[in-house]
Amino acid sequence: KNQVEQSPQSLIILEGKNCTLQCNYTVSPFSNLRWYKQDTGRGPVSLTIMTFSENTKSNGRYTATLDADTKQSSLHITASQLSDSASYICVVSAREVQGGKLIFGQGTELSVKP
Amino acid sequence: DGGITQSPKYLFRKEGQNVTLSCEQNLNHDAMYWYRQDPGQGLRLIYYSQIVNDFQKGDIAEGYSVSREKKESFPLTVTSAQKNPTAFYLCASSIRGNSYEQYFGPGTRLTVT
Repeated sequence: KNQVEQSPQSLIILEGKNCTLQCNYTVSPFSNLRWYKQDTGRGPVSLTIMTFSENTKSNGRYTATLDADTKQSSLHITASQLSDSASYICVVSAREVQGGKLIFGQGTELSVKP
Repeated sequence: DGGITQSPKYLFRKEGQNVTLSCEQNLNHDAMYWYRQDPGQGLRLIYYSQIVNDFQKGDIAEGYSVSREKKESFPLTVTSAQKNPTAFYLCASSIRGNSYEQYFGPGTRLTVT
């Protein structure tokens, strides 16, 4: 069964600190993996999208890594800011699946405190 | 200003009434999607459309209906048959199918009492 599991479920850190969010998946055949940021009450916004051949991708203070062998991804946030408080969603796309079906993780709720 | 819009932001309905949620995009994307988001759960696909006048059921289509008469528009109707309609509804679009990045709208929070 195609699944995406994220950990931790929630995380509280102090402003300025770094943190790493985890994503494990069992989706096959794999096409790409995406990380989204979702502010409360808003739609998700894309941070990174990585294909099978990409190991790391950065978007400002956000760096995503992908290990296709172990089927794991991480999102590292550097020098956190209060505006980083949000839900971070890992999404995996299965190759050649008809239509627009993606497999979504349940998200990690990040709270950055001053 | 390109993007995807949803209206209204908040919607309240009485049980037994049908309600239609609007989704419009000016990104010239072929594919559009409707998702439902509940607390503590991942997004779940309701319906998707890859081309005008064609759409397919997602994982939780029961109690919902859609139409795709125009490329820019993909309205979702929540019918009285949907047993638990209170949720946050997200519309998304992509250039084509699921291999391409999806852009999400701001969402509509529907409350049915």
